[in-house]
Amino acid sequence: KNQVEQSPQSLIILEGKNCTLQCNYTVSPFSNLRWYKQDTGRGPVSLTIMTFSENTKSNGRYTATLDADTKQSSLHITASQLSDSASYICVVSEKAGTALIFGKGTTLSVSS
Amino acid sequence: IAGITQAPTSQILAAGRRMTLRCTQDMRHNAMYWYRQDLGLGLRLIHYSNTAGTTGKGEVPDGYSVSRANTDDFPLTLASAVPSQTSVYFCASSDSTSGSHEQFFGPGTRLTVL
Repeated sequence: KNQVEQSPQSLIILEGKNCTLQCNYTVSPFSNLRWYKQDTGRGPVSLTIMTFSENTKSNGRYTATLDADTKQSSLHITASQLSDSASYICVVSEKAGTALIFGKGTTLSVSS
Repeated sequence: IAGITQAPTSQILAAGRRMTLRCTQDMRHNAMYWYRQDLGLGLRLIHYSNTAGTTGKGEVPDGYSVSRANTDDFPLTLASAVPSQTSVYFCASSDSTSGSHEQFFGPGTRLTVL
């Protein structure tokens, strides 16, 4: 069964610190992997999208990595800010145009 | 402003009542989707539409129906609401002719069925 597992379920860090969120998937064949940020009470917003051939992609202080061989991805947040407090969702597409498989998300809380 | 809108923002509904959640996008995306998001379960696909005039069932379609009369609108109907349909509902759209098929999400509708 195609699944996307994220860890940790939740995380609390101090403002200015770095953190890394993990995503493991069993989806095959694989088309692309996306990371979304969802603020409380809002819809998810795309941060990065990576295809099979891409190993890393950055969006400001967010850097996503992908290892298609081990089926693992990570999202690294540098110099965290209070506004980074949100849920981060890993989403995998089996092949282009098909339904997305969502992870349950990691809830990040950044405190001052 | 280009984007995707949903209405209402929130609603409290008595069990057994009929309810339609509205979704409109102005990006001329061909594909649209309805998800529900529940605590601890993540986003689950209810129904989708790859193009105007066609619809398909997602992971959790029971108790819901959709229609796609035109490109911009994709309403979701609960014919007879039950408490288990209490959830946050998100509409999304994508351009399947683009390489990424990125989905853009609306702000959500918080529905409570009593």
